[in-house]
Amino acid sequence: EAQVTQNPRYLITVTGKKLTVTCSQNMNHEYMSWYRQDPGLGLRQIYYSMNVEVTDKGDVPEGYKVSRKEKRNFPLILESPSPNQTSLYFCASSSLTGRREQYFGPGTRLTVT
Amino acid sequence: GENVEQHPSTLSVQEGDSAVIKCTYSDSASNYFPWYKQELGKRPQLIIDIRSNVGEKKDQRIAVTLNKTAKHFSLHITETQPEDSAVYFCAASIGGNEKLTFGTGTRLTIIP
Repeated sequence: EAQVTQNPRYLITVTGKKLTVTCSQNMNHEYMSWYRQDPGLGLRQIYYSMNVEVTDKGDVPEGYKVSRKEKRNFPLILESPSPNQTSLYFCASSSLTGRREQYFGPGTRLTVT
Repeated sequence: GENVEQHPSTLSVQEGDSAVIKCTYSDSASNYFPWYKQELGKRPQLIIDIRSNVGEKKDQRIAVTLNKTAKHFSLHITETQPEDSAVYFCAASIGGNEKLTFGTGTRLTIIP
């Protein structure tokens, strides 16, 4: 089954404790992206990647890091989480040819206390 | 950078009536405009998209119109049904999904 998976789905952590949210897709998509969703603000792009070893900043990259060492994986790293990073996070992937529909993962709800 | 404004933020319509959601964008170079639907507790899913070389696109009860001169595009849902209740997001980008800017969303409620 074609899908995007994220782990963990729920995470409660404390300020300053480094964490990684994993994202994996099995559709051989070149493009992957991370978004955060906050009430009243919609979906805001954090980082995106056009292919392996190619990453670029979205609209809200501060406080986040990403890497794309393999085509299928695109982890999101919070080196020193702060309460303002409490949010719902979505990973997405798409092909760079054809319709370019973005397929979203199930989301990760992160709470930083 | 690109800025996408979406209105209204909430919309309630009687079942069977039509619903219209409007978005405006700021960057005249944007040429790809998808619409995503997010049901409660679920992930966003693409429902329709349009490129700037097309003025209108229709898929059954859903249609999108684009006015490049005015830099706005709209989602039209006809003969609304309860399963249309969801949050709808418009988005805009240059080229494709490379840097996709979303609107703030419209919560659509269909009243039986």
